[in-house]
Amino acid sequence: DAKTTQPNSMESNEEEPVHLPCNHSTISGTDYIHWYRQLPSQGPEYVIHGLTSNVNNRMASLAIAEDRKSSTLILHRATLRDAAVYYCILRGGLSGGTSYGKLTFGQGTILTVHP
Amino acid sequence: NAGVTQTPKFRVLKTGQSMTLLCAQDMNHEYMYWYRQDPGMGLRLIHYSVGEGTTAKGEVPDGYNVSRLKKQNFLLGLESAAPSQTSVYFCASSSLAGGKYFGPGTRLTVT
Repeated sequence: DAKTTQPNSMESNEEEPVHLPCNHSTISGTDYIHWYRQLPSQGPEYVIHGLTSNVNNRMASLAIAEDRKSSTLILHRATLRDAAVYYCILRGGLSGGTSYGKLTFGQGTILTVHP
Repeated sequence: NAGVTQTPKFRVLKTGQSMTLLCAQDMNHEYMYWYRQDPGMGLRLIHYSVGEGTTAKGEVPDGYNVSRLKKQNFLLGLESAAPSQTSVYFCASSSLAGGKYFGPGTRLTVT
């Protein structure tokens, strides 16, 4: 799996926007960029994913650099419930075999949201 | 939609006992997966399925069996539980290239 690099931790205040960066300089042309988050004692939660274009959904936005070597997860208005560990993961969209289901969570970014 | 549900939420087994974990999804996803998560180890793929009637081995399949008789259900079986199988088990489902939706987890302790 191609490697991703994220800051260990970030802090934000409630109701402010949060920009979580991810570097993936060895991304291949067919790799999708996925973001998940996980709260303590809970299962991972899918946040968003994209390939080349910026993506928006009800939870967040994903901004992908033109060269695809980096991306940014944007939480438009952080809430206390957004405090979690955020993982940026690359996945081959059409690959088969074990590599498809494999979900390698790196260190992730611990997001702290202050009231 | 309930999303992905798992039964049971907690279980304690004695070494050598057997049990089945049930995963159900109502999103009509083709793909389903079983993972285990141990402290400091991240998620490890046990088995997965790319459609009804199909299963395949993941990274750590030994000691587990699975079945996908119906599209919406994916069962994980432990035939003879061992203390090394103490873990939190997560089921997930997805479409081909979409994000994975996870269940709430089953916390299993084998004594």
